[in-house]
Amino acid sequence: DAGVIQSPRHEVTEMGQEVTLRCKPISGHDYLFWYRQTMMRGLELLIYFNNNVPIDDSGMPEDRFSAKMPNASFSTLKIQPSEPRDSAVYFCASSTTGDSPLHFGNGTRLTVT
Amino acid sequence: GENVEQHPSTLSVQEGDSAVIKCTYSDSASNYFPWYKQELGKRPQLIIDIRSNVGEKKDQRIAVTLNKTAKHFSLHITETQPEDSAVYFCAASRYSSASKIIFGSGTRLSIRP
Repeated sequence: DAGVIQSPRHEVTEMGQEVTLRCKPISGHDYLFWYRQTMMRGLELLIYFNNNVPIDDSGMPEDRFSAKMPNASFSTLKIQPSEPRDSAVYFCASSTTGDSPLHFGNGTRLTVT
Repeated sequence: GENVEQHPSTLSVQEGDSAVIKCTYSDSASNYFPWYKQELGKRPQLIIDIRSNVGEKKDQRIAVTLNKTAKHFSLHITETQPEDSAVYFCAASRYSSASKIIFGSGTRLSIRP
C-alpha cells in the first residue's frame, strides 16, 4: 500500500485566493482526519469523517474552511478566501477505526502571502 | 471533550541516558493512548500505543505506562541514541462511533552526544 497520499506537497498562494488540499486515504480505512500543525498550536484536529460522512467539524476555524469526502478514496480541504494566518502544515490521516493507529500523509505546507 | 496535557515541552538528555515524557487526560472514558514521533520536516509516525486494559507495554528501548486512576500515561525511552531526537506527541481517544484522537502539545527531545 502506498500509504496516505496528499497533494500538493507545497502550496504558496496570495491572500484572498482559494486553496484546495487533497487526500487519498489508505484503502479500507473508514476514518479520515484533517489536522493542522503550527508551532504555536501544535496538531489541531480540524474535521474527521467516518465512512465518508463528516462526524465532527468543531475544529474548523471558520466558515472559510470546508471539507468534503465524495467517496471512500478522496477528500478535499478547501480554504476560501485564504489568509496569511492559515499558513501551516496540513496533514491528512486515516485509520481503520476511531481508536486505532493513525497513518499520516506527508502533509501539505501552505504559505499564504 | 477530551483534553490532553503533555510535559515537558522540551527535554535534553545525554546520549545513553533515559528520557521520560508525561501526559494527562481529562476524559475518564478514554481507552486508547498512542505515542507518535515526528522527525524534522516529516510526518508523525506511531511508535507505541497502549489500551486501558493493560498498565504497561514495552517495545525494545521504548515503554509506555498507564495509570487509569490518575488519568496519566508516560513514555520511557532507555539508552537514548541520536536518532531519538524528534518531537514526541501523546494522544488519547475512546472507542465510539464518534471517537477522535486528541493530541498533546508535543515534547521536543534532544539527545546530547
